[in-house]
Amino acid sequence: GAVVSQHPSRVICKSGTSVKIECRSLDFQATTMFWYRQFPKQSLMLMATSNEGSKATYEQGVEKDKFLINHASLTLSTLTVTSAHPEDSSFYICSATRTVGTEAFFGQGTRLTVV
Amino acid sequence: EDQVTQSPEALRLQEGESSSLNCSYTVSGLRGLFWYRQDPGKGPEFLFTLYSAGEEKEKERLKATLTKKESFLHITAPKPEDSATYLCAAGYGNKLVFGAGTILRVKS
Repeated sequence: GAVVSQHPSRVICKSGTSVKIECRSLDFQATTMFWYRQFPKQSLMLMATSNEGSKATYEQGVEKDKFLINHASLTLSTLTVTSAHPEDSSFYICSATRTVGTEAFFGQGTRLTVV
Repeated sequence: EDQVTQSPEALRLQEGESSSLNCSYTVSGLRGLFWYRQDPGKGPEFLFTLYSAGEEKEKERLKATLTKKESFLHITAPKPEDSATYLCAAGYGNKLVFGAGTILRVKS
């Protein structure tokens, strides 16, 4: 199976600071990476789709200036939550696919707590 | 509107008691129906992909089937370690639309 690694698994930050989350595909090259947000007892909400070397495509209602996504290589995407506030506290999960139309493999998730 | 609905929301089974989880979808241009397992505090783990009506796939105690409007995840003789949230997702374009999931608890 394909392995996607996400770091950190947990982070606590102060309100107003920025936090970077990394997502790496360890044993395959990912044409597309996705970032999701999950609230307690709810399903995954797609935030944005990123392709290597191009700008991310954000879903409606997601602030692109707050959630900066960089997809620098075929194995690495980063999500930076800028000027974080308590309402940004959530579980963030990335996924990656080898090719369009095939299954996506997920990272372990990052629990972000903004205090 | 593209939508995925899972039922039941929660299911409690005794060990060995077989059952099925339902996933109904209204997605135009479906390119695949995906099943995942998610444990608390972790990312979803891939289980199956189904591409066409009539297709079936099996893995240990799990079997997934697909029709033109819904998919079923059959669990045969479940064990406590099968307890998790099971998510289905419909693929269209390069995106996945997830259902809310079914929380399965298997008691010994």
